[in-house]
Amino acid sequence: GAVVSQHPSWVICKSGTSVKIECRSLDFQATTMFWYRQFPKQSLMLMATSNEGSKATYEQGVEKDKFLINHASLTLSTLTVTSAHPEDSSFYICSARDPDLPNTGELFFGEGSRLTVL
Amino acid sequence: ILNVEQSPQSLHVQEGDSTNFTCSFPSSNFYALHWYRWETAKSPEALFVMTLNGDEKKKGRISATLNTKEGYSYLYIKGSQPEDSATYLCAAQGDSYSGAGSYQLTFGKGTKLSVIP
Repeated sequence: GAVVSQHPSWVICKSGTSVKIECRSLDFQATTMFWYRQFPKQSLMLMATSNEGSKATYEQGVEKDKFLINHASLTLSTLTVTSAHPEDSSFYICSARDPDLPNTGELFFGEGSRLTVL
Repeated sequence: ILNVEQSPQSLHVQEGDSTNFTCSFPSSNFYALHWYRWETAKSPEALFVMTLNGDEKKKGRISATLNTKEGYSYLYIKGSQPEDSATYLCAAQGDSYSGAGSYQLTFGKGTKLSVIP
């Protein structure tokens, strides 16, 4: 199946710094990638849809200036948490659909990134 | 689609036991129901994607059913093995176009299964 790789798997940073998380599709081209966030004991919540070559689409309540998304190529999307604060500490995970499997609709996920802001 | 519920939240079963858990979702604006298995420190992996009322799908010892009219899906595991230990997520996919060609998925909180050897 299609493979999505996410890096880093965990990161600890100081409050006020910015953190970048990368999501790569390794064996397929993804024009669209999805960024989710999961707080403890909660469900995966879609934050934004990353679109190659154009602006990301953010879900209601997600600050676009806080969570910068760049999808500059068909295999790479990045999420930058700017001026991170402790309340941004969470598990962030990306996913994409394989365009060669359009009818299944299944998502292929990265491994996720656990962010801890001190 | 809002409010996808999964039950139970967690369960422990003995190796060899069969088990099942439930995913409920609003039946309006429904397009598809996804099941994923999420092992610790790994990526969630798709088990099934079902769209039609009455759908039944099977992969080895794992099977799933779908009732779109009443808004629920069951996941069954026959003869549980320790390697089945994982969190099982369901997600309902709505039929409302949500930008960028994607039909948005709403996830439940998952059912954490532990199979005791």
